[in-house]
Amino acid sequence: DVKVTQSSRYLVKRTGEKVFLECVQDMDHENMFWYRQDPGLGLRLIYFSYDVKMKEKGDIPEGYSVSREKKERFSLILESASTNQTSMYLCASSFNPVRQYGYTFGSGTRLTVV
Amino acid sequence: AQSVTQPDIHITVSEGASLELRCNYSYGATPYLFWYVQSPGQGLQLLLKYFSGDTLVQGIKGFEAEFKRSQSSFNLRKPSVHWSDAAEYFCPFMYSGGGADGLTFGKGTHLIIQP
Repeated sequence: DVKVTQSSRYLVKRTGEKVFLECVQDMDHENMFWYRQDPGLGLRLIYFSYDVKMKEKGDIPEGYSVSREKKERFSLILESASTNQTSMYLCASSFNPVRQYGYTFGSGTRLTVV
Repeated sequence: AQSVTQPDIHITVSEGASLELRCNYSYGATPYLFWYVQSPGQGLQLLLKYFSGDTLVQGIKGFEAEFKRSQSSFNLRKPSVHWSDAAEYFCPFMYSGGGADGLTFGKGTHLIIQP
């Protein structure tokens, strides 16, 4: 089975902290994605990457950055966490073309910023 | 602009009854369509997908969906729901772009199963 693993299920961080959310996939997928999920808003794309060291902004990149140094790992970074970044964060990965394969999702990280 | 609409935020169905979840898209050409399910506290699992061919698509867990171009719809159906089907359902679609193609998500439909 394809696995997308997010390192933490629950995180509690303080305002202003630098936060790292890690995502690892074990199926040699080219593409990786970070979404946040909020009640009533569905899933919104933060950043995605289609190759090592490549990244593209999604719909809501402000306040976030990403890193993809290895093909299997895609990190989401909150440079200075704020309370409005309290959310469920979902990582996904896919082969090319995405339209043929769809995504495989991780189980999510629920982040609370206090 | 490309968008997907799930008109029903919540749906309540009795166990054993049939189910239809609605999904409408707005896009200039035929999109690539998916249905995902999210159980409470979990990530999303792919139920089925459509990008060409037969407009009636069979998926996992007894679900099917039908693409109707004239109505810009891709509704999800199940003939008899089980209590374990209670979850959040999403019907994202794909648009073509450079590099990775990303899925556009709607706000989802929350399915409640009553005994």
